[in-house]
Amino acid sequence: GAGVSQSPRYKVAKRGQDVALRCDPISGHVSLFWYQQALGQGPEFLTYFQNEAQLDKSGLPSDRFFAERPEGSVSTLKIQRTQQEDSAVYLCASSAGGRKKDTQYFGPGTRLTVL
Amino acid sequence: GDSVTQMEGPVTLSEEAFLTINCTYTATGYPSLFWYVQYPGEGLQLLLKATKADDKGSNKGFEATYRKETTSFHLEKGSVQVSDSAVYFCALLRGDDKIIFGKGTRLHILP
Repeated sequence: GAGVSQSPRYKVAKRGQDVALRCDPISGHVSLFWYQQALGQGPEFLTYFQNEAQLDKSGLPSDRFFAERPEGSVSTLKIQRTQQEDSAVYLCASSAGGRKKDTQYFGPGTRLTVL
Repeated sequence: GDSVTQMEGPVTLSEEAFLTINCTYTATGYPSLFWYVQYPGEGLQLLLKATKADDKGSNKGFEATYRKETTSFHLEKGSVQVSDSAVYFCALLRGDDKIIFGKGTRLHILP
């Protein structure tokens, strides 16, 4: 496709379950970002990849959050033992170059609800 | 720390009205500034940006000027349309390359 895609679009999990959220960036884009957007708030940075290397994970809220991009394309954000405070929209973005200053293109997001 | 503050919504206007959405920022150094828009059911899109003081970003009839003296980047449009209904986010790019977003302003345009 032409843009960034994310799946699933909606995910409901019971507290304590593990979830995996997928991001397909624009083909050929070097950089990939994950953001968390709580209800009524702006997106907040979680982590950043350049190709397969995770260069910045300072925004991950706890060690229950883990992200990977093993082949430098598709990325997965995994949340273990989900908690209610993890409920949010998780946004993925990609950019063409290897610098964060390049324009980021966002996917539609995955809305995670933890019951 | 660095932050972005934008006016709370929702903002409701009639079609063809003049729009201003206020945005102020706190940052060390000279960040790049952005406005992103999120249409219903879609992802965030970059609307416009400015990279240095006194720069004016513009796109689709929207404008914003980087004002260092007032640390502001207010979004304006002279005549809004129903299709402009969306959530608008002001944001800055920090020196460590992290984007800091405001909370967003929901805009409703009535026909």
